[in-house]
Amino acid sequence: QVQLRESGPGLVKPSETLSLTCTVSGGSVSSFYWNWIRQSPGKGLEWIGYIFYSGGTDYNPSLKGRVTISRDTSKNQVYLKLASVTAADTAVYYCARSVDVVPAPGYWGQGTLVTVSS
Amino acid sequence: EVVLTQSPGTLSVSPGERASLSCRASESVRSNYLAWYQQKPGQAPRLLIYSASRRPTGIPERFSGSGSGADFTLTISRLEPEDFAVYFCQQYGTSPFSFGRGTKVDIK
Repeated sequence: QVQLRESGPGLVKPSETLSLTCTVSGGSVSSFYWNWIRQSPGKGLEWIGYIFYSGGTDYNPSLKGRVTISRDTSKNQVYLKLASVTAADTAVYYCARSVDVVPAPGYWGQGTLVTVSS
Repeated sequence: EVVLTQSPGTLSVSPGERASLSCRASESVRSNYLAWYQQKPGQAPRLLIYSASRRPTGIPERFSGSGSGADFTLTISRLEPEDFAVYFCQQYGTSPFSFGRGTKVDIK
């Protein structure tokens, strides 16, 4: 059974870069789609983007080019970087793997709360 | 962006009863790539249905999905105590993927 665990700083200052790691066990990051999704009380669930089996990526244009998703297959990890953060980026961030060959997020990590504040 | 509208916002149901939740899209969802999730407080969403009607391994048969195009429904045939939660729909047919705002199912 695949397991995902998000990690990273819980507090980030405004204008800095949010960096999170998704560590995967029980499966390879070289297969399927690996999504990042966030959830805040004000905006609900928001899809950030994904990296898929070939290494290609797709991002939500609402994040205006601030986001980068990458992976390290040797470490079996997926990464999220979100630049120039503001208080509006405060949320619980989830890493989620697709359930099948389609991108629907089926396996989720427990999520990690990131607060943007000085 | 495809906008998903879920209704009702809150559904009050008694255990053992049937619940039907609606998700309507602002345009046709490509390939009926529509998923349903259940979320309980403090937990990550749990995938119940994908591709409109497919149930992942381990999801009880009382959860079923139907619909096509822009109109989808999640049906819970007989509510168990553990089914009281918030339910979200998501489309993953067109980028950017989008979620509905959720339907809360609470105890009547």
